[in-house]
Amino acid sequence: NAGVTQTPKFRILKIGQSMTLQCTQDMNHNYMYWYRQDPGMGLKLIYYSVGAGITDKGEVPNGYNVSRSTTEDFPLRLELAAPSQTSVYFCASTLGNSYEQYFGPGTRLTVT
Amino acid sequence: AQSVAQPEDQVNVAEGNPLTVKCTYSVSGNPYLFWYVQYPNRGLQFLLKYITGDNLVKGSYGFEAEFNKSQTSFHLKKPSALVSDSALYFCAVRGPGAGSYQLTFGKGTKLSVIP
Repeated sequence: NAGVTQTPKFRILKIGQSMTLQCTQDMNHNYMYWYRQDPGMGLKLIYYSVGAGITDKGEVPNGYNVSRSTTEDFPLRLELAAPSQTSVYFCASTLGNSYEQYFGPGTRLTVT
Repeated sequence: AQSVAQPEDQVNVAEGNPLTVKCTYSVSGNPYLFWYVQYPNRGLQFLLKYITGDNLVKGSYGFEAEFNKSQTSFHLKKPSALVSDSALYFCAVRGPGAGSYQLTFGKGTKLSVIP
């Protein structure tokens, strides 16, 4: 199993541009999550999904959108990128009856 | 709302010495607690969890954690530190409600093991 994979690894965006961060897991996990990690701030939950077709907001959803059309994929969309969205983004997944989240390697995004 | 506090931004320990990384929590109901480790430029890796049962929980790489309900603490410990244990450590608590598999993370503690 590849586990949780994320693309791209790095990206530089200009203010106002948009992009999609890709996340795929091959463990048949029903729950998936998007976090952002800022220095000294831990991880903040952006959005999560409990299964295909079901998504919900986390702690910091503004400026982001998600979709979950399949069990495997959970892309994160940034519209109108802003410098405040400069961060490292992590995708994670878990089985519903397990509390151990499996994390991808992250995407480092810079908005200038 | 649930919360986690890691009071130390950095912990330094000599190789071979015991290490402790502190965590306190606040949550309504029974706490589900976790420790994760993050190596440079990597995602987080699960170390151990407390759901119920014994207050001393054993996890990966020789780590263990002690749950103390009266002090609302869940400190991470290891009897003998290795240089390779140097990393960023996060404590987390499970959130309440319908999305109960959400985790709230602390800000992280950087552990440096000095040879």
